[in-house]
Amino acid sequence: KNQVEQSPQSLIILEGKNCTLQCNYTVSPFSNLRWYKQDTGRGPVSLTIMTFSENTKSNGRYTATLDADTKQSSLHITASQLSDSASYICVVSASSGTYKYIFGTGTRLKVLA
Amino acid sequence: SQTIHQWPATLVQPVGSPLSLECTVEGTSNPNLYWYRQAAGRGLQLLFYSVGIGQISSEVPQNLSASRPQDRQFILSSKKLLLSDSGFYLCAWSVERDPLLSNQPQHFGDGTRLSIL
Repeated sequence: KNQVEQSPQSLIILEGKNCTLQCNYTVSPFSNLRWYKQDTGRGPVSLTIMTFSENTKSNGRYTATLDADTKQSSLHITASQLSDSASYICVVSASSGTYKYIFGTGTRLKVLA
Repeated sequence: SQTIHQWPATLVQPVGSPLSLECTVEGTSNPNLYWYRQAAGRGLQLLFYSVGIGQISSEVPQNLSASRPQDRQFILSSKKLLLSDSGFYLCAWSVERDPLLSNQPQHFGDGTRLSIL
């Protein structure tokens, strides 16, 4: 069964600190992996998209890594800001006969001053 | 630039009433369009997607239906709402030419929060 699991479920950090969010998946055959940021009450916004051949991709203070062998991805946030408070969603696309994105349940991050 | 609009932002409906949520995209042609539902504590669930006018694919059996009367308009409907239809409904678009191998992001609207009483 295609699944995407994210950890931790929620995280609280102080402003300026770094943090890493995890995503494990069992989707096969794998096409690509995406990280989205979703502010409360808003739609998700794309942060990064990685194919199986990419190990690392950065977008400002956000750096995503992908290990296609172990089927794990991480999203590292550097020097966190209050505006980073949001849910971060990992999405894996399957390149099977069925067009499908599999969404994780997200990690809710809260950055405190 | 491309934009996506969803309305209404919030909606409270009684059980058994009809539903119509609208989504429009501007600034792009022939987008792929999607309807998702996001329940509390759960990942987004794909309800419908469309690769062109009048072409609708359903991912899960349900009480809802979708239509695409125009290239950049996607409508989510129900004839009789159930309590279980409550949730946060998101519309999205993308410009993938090959959805199975796409490296393009999906762009989401700001959603409609639907409460069924």
